[in-house]
Amino acid sequence: DQQVKQNSPSLSVQEGRISILNCDYTNSMFDYFLWYKKYPAEGPTFLISISSIKDKNEDGRFTVFLNKSAKHLSLHIVPSQPGDSAVYFCAAIEMYAGGTSYGKLTFGQGTILTVHP
Amino acid sequence: DTAVSQTPKYLVTQMGNDKSIKCEQNLGHDTMYWYKQDSKKFLKIMFSYNNKELIINETVPNRFSPKSPDKAHLNLHINSLELGDSAVYFCASSQEGAKNIQYFGAGTRLSVL
Repeated sequence: DQQVKQNSPSLSVQEGRISILNCDYTNSMFDYFLWYKKYPAEGPTFLISISSIKDKNEDGRFTVFLNKSAKHLSLHIVPSQPGDSAVYFCAAIEMYAGGTSYGKLTFGQGTILTVHP
Repeated sequence: DTAVSQTPKYLVTQMGNDKSIKCEQNLGHDTMYWYKQDSKKFLKIMFSYNNKELIINETVPNRFSPKSPDKAHLNLHINSLELGDSAVYFCASSQEGAKNIQYFGAGTRLSVL
């Protein structure tokens, strides 16, 4: 049973436009959410995160929105650039399970973003 | 200077063989992880070690055995390889107090023939 799902395998956008990547989760114990970006032949790299006590976090061109009632988060990239073309993974974690953070990230299956010049 | 490095990048082997993947991090982190990315592209955690102590052990066949000689290294040994073990394996590390932010290696693509 996949607790984090990214239902769009791919997304194609024009340079300068907004990219919106979506993610749904089922485990209500998750309290911290992250987006990772992955280029071919490289490992995932941390991009941006959000705590469950917030509904928005912004870092430059990247904004993550969290809707806890819908168990949904999204990543907005604006304006999109060709260098943003990569696979984007959504991840979630229960930060303090029983008082300890074990670091157990649960990932979605990724969305391939292609930004056309 | 690569922060989290894995060797080898590619590993092609026959069913039934035993193989190891090595991972080293030079970030001074206390916690290291192994993830498996299967054919459906989900990254799933397999193991986590904190200061050489096993703290996460997901439902993984006991043919997989992690070994942590020191906190900068976490190797993965796989016995009696099976076709279903073919996947990309990622090593990662994080520092104490920030386990949610993990730094990944480039991955090892294992193909079992």
